[in-house]
Amino acid sequence: GESVGLHLPTLSVQEGDNSIINCAYSNSASDYFIWYKQESGKGPQFIIDIRSNMDKRQGQRVTVLLNKTVKHLSLQIAATQPGDSAVYFCAEERGFYFGSGTKLNVKP
Amino acid sequence: KAGVTQTPRYLIKTRGQQVTLSCSPISGHRSVSWYQQTPGQGLQFLFEYFSETQRNKGNFPGRFSGRQFSNSRSEMNVSTLELGDSALYLCASSPDRANYGYTFGSGTRLTVV
Repeated sequence: GESVGLHLPTLSVQEGDNSIINCAYSNSASDYFIWYKQESGKGPQFIIDIRSNMDKRQGQRVTVLLNKTVKHLSLQIAATQPGDSAVYFCAEERGFYFGSGTKLNVKP
Repeated sequence: KAGVTQTPRYLIKTRGQQVTLSCSPISGHRSVSWYQQTPGQGLQFLFEYFSETQRNKGNFPGRFSGRQFSNSRSEMNVSTLELGDSALYLCASSPDRANYGYTFGSGTRLTVV
């Protein structure tokens, strides 16, 4: 069935480094994707979205890349900070499918 | 602007009981979705309501049900609770699911003993 999944369950980076979190999806008809951040004890929080007519979208310290050919998304976080420590999920447009998440640990 | 409010925050129930969880969406949001989050399964979509109608449904047994009221507030009910129903239940609201991201509440932590 359709799925949106994450390649790595845990990612550890040094404070100040850049982080890259990856996500694969299987439904080639999906045309809208969202990245969420979930901190401990809280619900997921919208970070950034991208539509299929774009390859790249930038926000504040975050960039999402979309490769429709291989059905792959990535979230890049620049100058990672301790406050970025959380679980990150990608979701396809209608939010029916989420991956299990990647836990980002930022080491000071 | 108030966010998505879920009540209660924590709940402990006994196997076989039923439970009702409540969600108040952001004012003006007509789409309300429910998710179950467990460590092993991640976020799983339960159902979505839009203008009091269930518009989409995930792959959960009939013990899981929901409804939406005219003010967009939503409830979900789980009957005949099983130990495996222990999870964080999240509600999310959106102006309209198809074109917007969703704003999540902080969830209700349900423990079935």
